Amino acid sequence: ELKVEQNPLFLSMQEGKNYTIYCNYSTTSDRLYWYRQDPGKSLESLFVLLSNGAVKQEGRLMASLDTKARLSTLHITAAVHDLSATYFCAPRYGGSQGNLIFGKGTKLSVKP
Amino acid sequence: NAGVTQTPKFQVLKTGQSMTLQCAQDMNHEYMSWYRQDPGMGLRLIHYSVGAGITDQGEVPNGYNVSRSTTEDFPLRLLSAAPSQTSVYFCASSSGTSTEAFFGQGTRLTVV
Repeated sequence: ELKVEQNPLFLSMQEGKNYTIYCNYSTTSDRLYWYRQDPGKSLESLFVLLSNGAVKQEGRLMASLDTKARLSTLHITAAVHDLSATYFCAPRYGGSQGNLIFGKGTKLSVKP
Repeated sequence: NAGVTQTPKFQVLKTGQSMTLQCAQDMNHEYMSWYRQDPGMGLRLIHYSVGAGITDQGEVPNGYNVSRSTTEDFPLRLLSAAPSQTSVYFCASSSGTSTEAFFGQGTRLTVV
């Protein structure tokens, strides 16, 4: 059974600062997703990481995957208020017919 | 371009009542799943299906039934609602040939 641990669970940042959200998972997974969720909304797909060493960037967000360490990171560069949301990582468990197992989420608040 | 459609968006039930949450997708995806989201818990997998006629239990299946008679539809049934089932429910679909996993807009259920 795959366990997922995200930290921190809460993050308050000032605009312009950098920070990293960590996602550790307990067993082998063949891919990992990052999602963003705004209050009262559904999940918006940010990144899908498919292989060891994968790095993807979109705007101020960059995600990476280390399958050997079972660790993914979501790095925020020069945060802006619009990035305030809850971020979830979700490794896939069980191969091609497996399911996404979600972390508890990191609630990010970016203050001016 | 409907994607994953969930109905209803909001529902209030009395304890002991039954109801069905509907989920439909128009992308011919073989994989569909139901999650519930509770504050501070992330998303937890209830049931999933890897194709029409095939379903299986996830992490928190008790109190819920599912069936998959067609590729498009994956309804979630609450046979006798309990206050502990108050939650936001998300349906998701994906395909083995694609890396994307799509989520519906969610159903906010309150059991009183």
